[in-house]
Amino acid sequence: AQTVTQSQPEMSVQEAETVTLSCTYDTSESDYYLFWYKQPPSRQMILVIRQEAYKQQNATENRFSVNFQKAAKSFSLKISDSQLGDAAMYFCAHKILRAGKSTFGDGTTLTVKP
Amino acid sequence: DTEVTQTPKHLVMGMTNKKSLKCEQHMGHRAMYWYKQKAKKPPELMFVYSYEKLSINESVPSRFSPECPNSSLLNLHLHALQPEDSALYLCASSQDPQIYEQYFGPGTRLTVT
Repeated sequence: AQTVTQSQPEMSVQEAETVTLSCTYDTSESDYYLFWYKQPPSRQMILVIRQEAYKQQNATENRFSVNFQKAAKSFSLKISDSQLGDAAMYFCAHKILRAGKSTFGDGTTLTVKP
Repeated sequence: DTEVTQTPKHLVMGMTNKKSLKCEQHMGHRAMYWYKQKAKKPPELMFVYSYEKLSINESVPSRFSPECPNSSLLNLHLHALQPEDSALYLCASSQDPQIYEQYFGPGTRLTVT
């Protein structure tokens, strides 16, 4: 079975600063995808960033980047220049290619202080 | 159009009622999902439809009955629910059931009284 662990239930960051959310996963598969999703309070869950396991290069989307360490099974999310709108619950998710479903971590609630 | 829509936004129902939740996407996605989410918890997968056929049922009680009338629509029929079924019900879709990310709808907030 696949597991995803987010060890930080809550994090806070000062506006304009950088914060890193951690995620580790456990799988015996070699072909999989990793995702970070963002769910603001009472709002829709959206994809933040995606990483294919076969790619060595870390994915980047504007202020969001990941540190993907395949051997360590680690997939952290770095948010640079944090903005008030980044406040949300962030879920790390893992999806193996032959499965039709994703495994989600328990989430990290990020607070951004003005 | 990268939107998944869900109706209604809110639903209050008694334990003897029958109601349905609806989900729609026009992105040409071939996989659609139902999730249940409790407050401050991750979404829990309920059902997966792949190419309009039920491919995954995560041992969901029979009081929840999914239906996929066509590739754009997904329904969840509710009957004889319990108060503990109160939650946010999320619909999602993805381009392919094997790969790619999911696009989530805004959810239906269900309260069972």
